[in-house]
Amino acid sequence: GENVEQHPSTLSVQEGDSAVIKCTYSDSASNYFPWYKQELGKGPQLIIDIRSNVGEKKDQRIAVTLNKTAKHFSLHITETQPEDSAVYFCAASKNSGGYQKVTFGIGTKLQVIP
Amino acid sequence: DAGVIQSPRHEVTEMGQEVTLRCKPISGHDSLFWYRQTMMRGLELLIYFNNNVPIDDSGMPEDRFSAKMPNASFSTLKIQPSEPRDSAVYFCASRAGEGYYGYTFGSGTRLTVV
Repeated sequence: GENVEQHPSTLSVQEGDSAVIKCTYSDSASNYFPWYKQELGKGPQLIIDIRSNVGEKKDQRIAVTLNKTAKHFSLHITETQPEDSAVYFCAASKNSGGYQKVTFGIGTKLQVIP
Repeated sequence: DAGVIQSPRHEVTEMGQEVTLRCKPISGHDSLFWYRQTMMRGLELLIYFNNNVPIDDSGMPEDRFSAKMPNASFSTLKIQPSEPRDSAVYFCASRAGEGYYGYTFGSGTRLTVV
């Protein structure tokens, strides 16, 4: 089955600096890669996603890059703010038996220090 | 839309008791998922419904767990009898379809079995 590895597990950055979270996946059939942000006491929230036919996608201060050859994808947050502090999950999704099967990474706890 | 609604938010029960968690997905979403989140194992898929039919229940831990989706707007996850190792946060999520769609998660139910 699919295996998604995510690192680092924790990340501390100064406010205004950039943060990068990296994930690797094992199954080349994976074709959709969403990222979720989970704030304390809440459920994960989809913040950005990328399809396998796209190399990069941006949405204001966040961007995701995908390297299909290396099976790597990354989340980039620029100009970090205290409200970016949360746990971030990457995921890889592929069609399996007619439905999209999603495998999550273990999560990265991001702390933005004011 | 009010999003995915889960109840209760918190549940404390004694070992051996029956626990029922409830979920109302987003109207129009045809896929519903139950996940369990723990520090040790991260997000684990328990069961997936498509158009109210269970498609993948391979993640259901054992016979003590059961899930139903009697209609498109309601699902339950039942644990009987409950054990301390079932203590976790249980999330319900819904998705608009089988394409490139992310999940919308509920706020979760924090279950503590003492």
